[in-house]
Amino acid sequence: KNQVEQSPQSLIILEGKNCTLQCNYTVSPFSNLRWYKQDTGRGPVSLTIMTFSENTKSNGRYTATLDADTKQSSLHITASQLSDSASYICVVSSLSTGYALNFGKGTSLLVTP
Amino acid sequence: GAGVSQSPRYKVTKRGQDVALRCDPISGHVSLYWYRQALGQGPEFLTYFNYEAQQDKSGLPNDRFSAERPEGSISTLTIQRTEQRDSAMYRCASSEGQGAGELFFGEGSRLTVL
Repeated sequence: KNQVEQSPQSLIILEGKNCTLQCNYTVSPFSNLRWYKQDTGRGPVSLTIMTFSENTKSNGRYTATLDADTKQSSLHITASQLSDSASYICVVSSLSTGYALNFGKGTSLLVTP
Repeated sequence: GAGVSQSPRYKVTKRGQDVALRCDPISGHVSLYWYRQALGQGPEFLTYFNYEAQQDKSGLPNDRFSAERPEGSISTLTIQRTEQRDSAMYRCASSEGQGAGELFFGEGSRLTVL
């Protein structure tokens, strides 16, 4: 079964520090990988979408990397802010019939003053 | 519409009752996804459609759950004989292309089964 595993499950960092979230997947054949930020009680908001040929993509202080060979992705947050506190969800799309979505369970990030 | 619309936003029901949750995707969007998220938990994929065809329903927890999208637009997720463990936020998302492009999420339907 296609799976998406995220780590760590939760993370607490001080404001201003950097952090990296991991997403490993076994989805095959691969179509694309998305990172979402979800504030408590809100719907997910897209950060990046990466296809097979893309290794790095940035969106402000967020930088996502993708290694399609090892089936690993990371989301790096630079100079964290209190507003970065949220759940970060990795979603991998499969090239199977109909392009199924495979959700990770998310990493809960708390940025403290 | 301007975005993905879900209704009701909040539903409180007694155990054993049936509930129907509606998702109105962005007009013209081909793919529609249902997933749920229990409080404090990560998302759990339920099912998805391309046009009116249900592509994958392996994520539906059991046969009390069903979904349809008869005209390839609005979708309804139905839960029969609800149980307390069904309590969760049920979210819908749509995308213009099949598995490609931006996903647009609805605000969700919060289901509480007493």
